[in-house]
Amino acid sequence: GAVVSQHPSWVICKSGTSVKIECRSLDFQATTMFWYRQFPKQSLMLMATSNEGSKATYEQGVEKDKFLINHASLTLSTLTVTSAHPEDSSFYICSASPVTGPSSYNSPLHFGNGTRLTVT
Amino acid sequence: AQSVAQPEDQVNVAEGNPLTVKCTYSVSGNPYLFWYVQYPNRGLQFLLKYITGDNLVKGSYGFEAEFNKSQTSFHLKKPSALVSDSALYFCAVRDLGGATNKLIFGTGTLLAVQP
Repeated sequence: GAVVSQHPSWVICKSGTSVKIECRSLDFQATTMFWYRQFPKQSLMLMATSNEGSKATYEQGVEKDKFLINHASLTLSTLTVTSAHPEDSSFYICSASPVTGPSSYNSPLHFGNGTRLTVT
Repeated sequence: AQSVAQPEDQVNVAEGNPLTVKCTYSVSGNPYLFWYVQYPNRGLQFLLKYITGDNLVKGSYGFEAEFNKSQTSFHLKKPSALVSDSALYFCAVRDLGGATNKLIFGTGTLLAVQP
Protein backbone atom coordinates (compact mmCIF):
# COMPACT_ATOMS: atom_id res chain seq x y z
CA GLY A 1 0.00 0.00 0.00
CA ALA A 2 0.80 3.72 0.04
CA VAL A 3 1.92 3.96 -3.56
CA VAL A 4 2.90 7.29 -5.06
CA SER A 5 3.02 7.56 -8.83
CA GLN A 6 4.90 10.30 -10.63
CA HIS A 7 4.63 11.16 -14.29
CA PRO A 8 6.50 11.58 -16.55
CA SER A 9 9.60 9.73 -15.47
CA TRP A 10 11.71 11.85 -17.77
CA VAL A 11 11.15 14.84 -20.01
CA ILE A 12 13.25 16.93 -22.34
CA CYS A 13 12.08 20.39 -23.23
CA LYS A 14 13.37 23.49 -24.91
CA SER A 15 14.36 26.57 -23.01
CA GLY A 16 11.43 28.91 -22.45
CA THR A 17 8.74 26.25 -22.45
CA SER A 18 6.77 24.99 -19.47
CA VAL A 19 6.68 21.46 -18.13
CA LYS A 20 4.07 19.88 -15.88
CA ILE A 21 4.88 17.00 -13.53
CA GLU A 22 2.12 14.99 -11.90
CA CYS A 23 2.19 13.26 -8.55
CA ARG A 24 -0.60 10.90 -7.64
CA SER A 25 -1.35 8.92 -4.52
CA LEU A 26 -2.80 5.72 -5.92
CA ASP A 27 -4.27 3.99 -2.90
CA PHE A 28 -4.64 6.69 -0.31
CA GLN A 29 -5.67 10.29 0.06
CA ALA A 30 -3.03 12.87 0.70
CA THR A 31 -3.92 16.29 2.02
CA THR A 32 -0.27 17.16 1.90
CA MET A 33 2.37 16.33 -0.67
CA PHE A 34 5.98 17.39 -0.75
CA TRP A 35 8.07 18.36 -3.75
CA TYR A 36 11.82 17.82 -3.63
CA ARG A 37 14.59 18.64 -6.04
CA GLN A 38 17.79 16.66 -6.27
CA PHE A 39 20.96 17.77 -7.99
CA PRO A 40 23.52 15.20 -9.13
CA LYS A 41 25.33 13.61 -6.23
CA GLN A 42 23.49 15.82 -3.77
CA SER A 43 20.78 15.51 -1.23
CA LEU A 44 17.12 16.25 -1.61
CA MET A 45 16.12 19.83 -1.17
CA LEU A 46 12.53 20.49 -0.20
CA MET A 47 11.02 22.95 -2.62
CA ALA A 48 7.49 23.25 -1.37
CA THR A 49 4.66 21.64 0.52
CA SER A 50 1.53 21.15 -1.49
CA ASN A 51 -1.74 21.49 0.41
CA GLU A 52 -5.01 20.22 -1.00
CA GLY A 53 -7.41 23.05 -1.61
CA SER A 54 -5.07 25.82 -0.58
CA LYS A 55 -1.86 27.54 -1.58
CA ALA A 56 1.41 25.70 -1.46
CA THR A 57 4.02 26.59 1.11
CA TYR A 58 7.36 27.33 -0.53
CA GLU A 59 10.76 27.00 1.04
CA GLN A 60 13.01 30.00 1.25
CA GLY A 61 14.69 30.75 -2.03
CA VAL A 62 12.21 28.86 -4.22
CA GLU A 63 10.47 31.04 -6.79
CA LYS A 64 6.72 30.68 -6.49
CA ASP A 65 6.03 32.04 -9.94
CA LYS A 66 8.50 29.70 -11.55
CA PHE A 67 7.51 26.51 -9.80
CA LEU A 68 3.73 26.49 -9.79
CA ILE A 69 2.09 23.93 -7.57
CA ASN A 70 -1.54 22.91 -7.73
CA HIS A 71 -3.15 20.38 -5.40
CA ALA A 72 -6.70 20.28 -6.66
CA SER A 73 -7.70 16.90 -5.28
CA LEU A 74 -6.75 14.54 -2.48
CA THR A 75 -4.86 12.31 -4.87
CA LEU A 76 -3.17 14.68 -7.28
CA SER A 77 -0.58 17.42 -7.02
CA THR A 78 1.14 19.00 -9.99
CA LEU A 79 4.36 20.93 -10.30
CA THR A 80 4.73 23.16 -13.33
CA VAL A 81 8.14 24.51 -14.19
CA THR A 82 7.38 27.67 -16.10
CA SER A 83 9.69 29.19 -18.70
CA ALA A 84 12.23 26.49 -18.06
CA HIS A 85 15.92 27.17 -18.42
CA PRO A 86 18.90 24.80 -18.47
CA GLU A 87 19.61 25.53 -14.81
CA ASP A 88 16.22 24.04 -13.99
CA SER A 89 17.44 20.68 -15.23
CA SER A 90 17.27 18.37 -12.27
CA PHE A 91 15.60 15.35 -10.72
CA TYR A 92 12.25 16.24 -9.17
CA ILE A 93 10.66 13.91 -6.63
CA CYS A 94 7.30 14.09 -4.93
CA SER A 95 6.24 12.39 -1.73
CA ALA A 96 3.17 11.96 0.42
CA SER A 97 1.88 10.18 3.47
CA PRO A 98 -1.51 8.58 4.10
CA VAL A 99 -1.34 9.78 7.70
CA THR A 100 -2.29 13.27 8.80
CA GLY A 101 -2.11 15.18 12.03
CA PRO A 102 0.24 14.42 14.94
CA SER A 103 0.36 10.76 13.97
CA SER A 104 2.21 11.79 10.84
CA TYR A 105 5.29 12.56 12.94
CA ASN A 106 6.25 8.91 13.02
CA SER A 107 4.86 7.94 9.65
CA PRO A 108 7.29 7.61 6.75
CA LEU A 109 6.83 9.52 3.56
CA HIS A 110 6.25 7.54 0.39
CA PHE A 111 8.05 8.72 -2.70
CA GLY A 112 7.35 8.71 -6.38
CA ASN A 113 10.04 7.47 -8.73
CA GLY A 114 11.03 10.96 -9.71
CA THR A 115 11.09 12.96 -12.93
CA ARG A 116 14.33 13.69 -14.75
CA LEU A 117 13.94 17.12 -16.38
CA THR A 118 16.43 18.18 -19.03
CA VAL A 119 16.11 21.65 -20.49
CA THR A 120 18.02 22.23 -23.71
CA ALA B 1 16.25 23.53 13.83
CA GLN B 2 16.38 19.83 13.23
CA SER B 3 19.21 18.45 11.13
CA VAL B 4 21.08 15.28 10.30
CA ALA B 5 24.63 14.80 9.13
CA GLN B 6 26.11 11.96 7.14
CA PRO B 7 29.88 12.34 7.45
CA GLU B 8 30.80 9.88 4.71
CA ASP B 9 30.16 10.60 1.05
CA GLN B 10 30.94 7.00 0.19
CA VAL B 11 31.36 3.71 1.98
CA ASN B 12 33.07 0.76 0.35
CA VAL B 13 32.63 -2.75 1.66
CA ALA B 14 33.24 -6.24 0.36
CA GLU B 15 30.31 -8.53 -0.18
CA GLY B 16 29.62 -10.63 2.89
CA ASN B 17 31.21 -8.14 5.27
CA PRO B 18 29.22 -6.09 7.75
CA LEU B 19 28.41 -2.54 6.74
CA THR B 20 27.77 0.65 8.65
CA VAL B 21 26.50 3.93 7.24
CA LYS B 22 26.80 6.74 9.74
CA CYS B 23 24.28 9.40 10.69
CA THR B 24 24.25 11.93 13.51
CA TYR B 25 21.36 14.16 14.39
CA SER B 26 20.64 17.45 16.05
CA VAL B 27 17.13 18.04 17.34
CA SER B 28 15.23 19.94 19.93
CA GLY B 29 12.95 17.48 21.64
CA ASN B 30 12.42 13.86 20.75
CA PRO B 31 13.91 12.75 17.44
CA TYR B 32 11.87 11.06 14.74
CA LEU B 33 14.54 9.45 12.56
CA PHE B 34 14.33 7.62 9.26
CA TRP B 35 16.55 5.83 6.78
CA TYR B 36 15.81 5.70 3.07
CA VAL B 37 17.56 4.07 0.11
CA GLN B 38 17.65 5.41 -3.44
CA TYR B 39 18.58 3.42 -6.51
CA PRO B 40 19.72 5.27 -9.67
CA ASN B 41 17.04 7.45 -11.24
CA ARG B 42 14.43 6.26 -8.78
CA GLY B 43 12.60 7.72 -5.83
CA LEU B 44 13.38 6.91 -2.23
CA GLN B 45 12.37 3.71 -0.50
CA PHE B 46 11.71 3.64 3.21
CA LEU B 47 13.96 1.28 5.17
CA LEU B 48 13.25 1.88 8.83
CA LYS B 49 12.46 4.44 11.48
CA TYR B 50 13.09 5.22 15.12
CA ILE B 51 10.42 6.91 17.15
CA THR B 52 10.70 5.48 20.62
CA GLY B 53 11.36 2.18 22.33
CA ASP B 54 14.19 -0.23 21.60
CA ASN B 55 17.38 1.41 20.44
CA LEU B 56 17.95 -1.26 17.82
CA VAL B 57 15.45 -0.92 15.02
CA LYS B 58 15.01 -3.57 12.36
CA GLY B 59 13.89 -2.69 8.87
CA SER B 60 13.60 -3.86 5.31
CA TYR B 61 16.12 -5.98 3.37
CA GLY B 62 17.96 -7.07 6.51
CA PHE B 63 18.96 -3.57 7.53
CA GLU B 64 18.90 -2.33 11.09
CA ALA B 65 19.84 0.89 12.82
CA GLU B 66 21.05 1.67 16.29
CA PHE B 67 19.79 4.76 18.05
CA ASN B 68 22.31 6.19 20.50
CA LYS B 69 21.04 9.15 22.45
CA SER B 70 24.31 9.99 24.19
CA GLN B 71 26.16 10.12 20.88
CA THR B 72 23.17 11.56 18.98
CA SER B 73 23.70 8.94 16.32
CA PHE B 74 21.49 6.68 14.25
CA HIS B 75 23.85 4.49 12.23
CA LEU B 76 22.52 2.10 9.63
CA LYS B 77 23.91 -1.43 9.74
CA LYS B 78 23.72 -4.78 8.04
CA PRO B 79 25.55 -7.91 9.17
CA SER B 80 26.39 -9.14 5.68
CA ALA B 81 26.46 -6.84 2.67
CA LEU B 82 25.16 -7.81 -0.76
CA VAL B 83 26.21 -6.36 -4.09
CA SER B 84 22.57 -5.43 -4.60
CA ASP B 85 22.77 -3.17 -1.53
CA SER B 86 24.87 -0.76 -3.56
CA ALA B 87 22.84 2.45 -3.63
CA LEU B 88 22.53 5.91 -2.13
CA TYR B 89 21.39 5.99 1.49
CA PHE B 90 19.76 8.95 3.21
CA CYS B 91 19.21 9.61 6.85
CA ALA B 92 16.32 11.94 7.66
CA VAL B 93 14.71 13.63 10.62
CA ARG B 94 11.20 14.92 10.96
CA ASP B 95 11.08 18.68 11.30
CA LEU B 96 8.45 19.37 13.92
CA GLY B 97 8.97 23.10 13.92
CA GLY B 98 6.51 23.97 11.17
CA ALA B 99 3.01 23.04 10.24
CA THR B 100 3.94 20.49 7.63
CA ASN B 101 6.11 18.04 9.56
CA LYS B 102 8.46 17.80 6.65
CA LEU B 103 11.47 15.51 6.44
CA ILE B 104 14.96 16.98 6.51
CA PHE B 105 17.50 14.83 4.71
CA GLY B 106 21.20 14.32 5.15
CA THR B 107 23.55 14.69 2.23
CA GLY B 108 23.49 10.99 1.44
CA THR B 109 26.08 8.23 1.51
CA LEU B 110 26.88 6.16 -1.52
CA LEU B 111 27.33 2.54 -0.55
CA ALA B 112 29.46 0.47 -2.91
CA VAL B 113 29.59 -3.26 -2.26
CA GLN B 114 32.32 -5.04 -4.15
CA PRO B 115 31.84 -8.68 -5.16
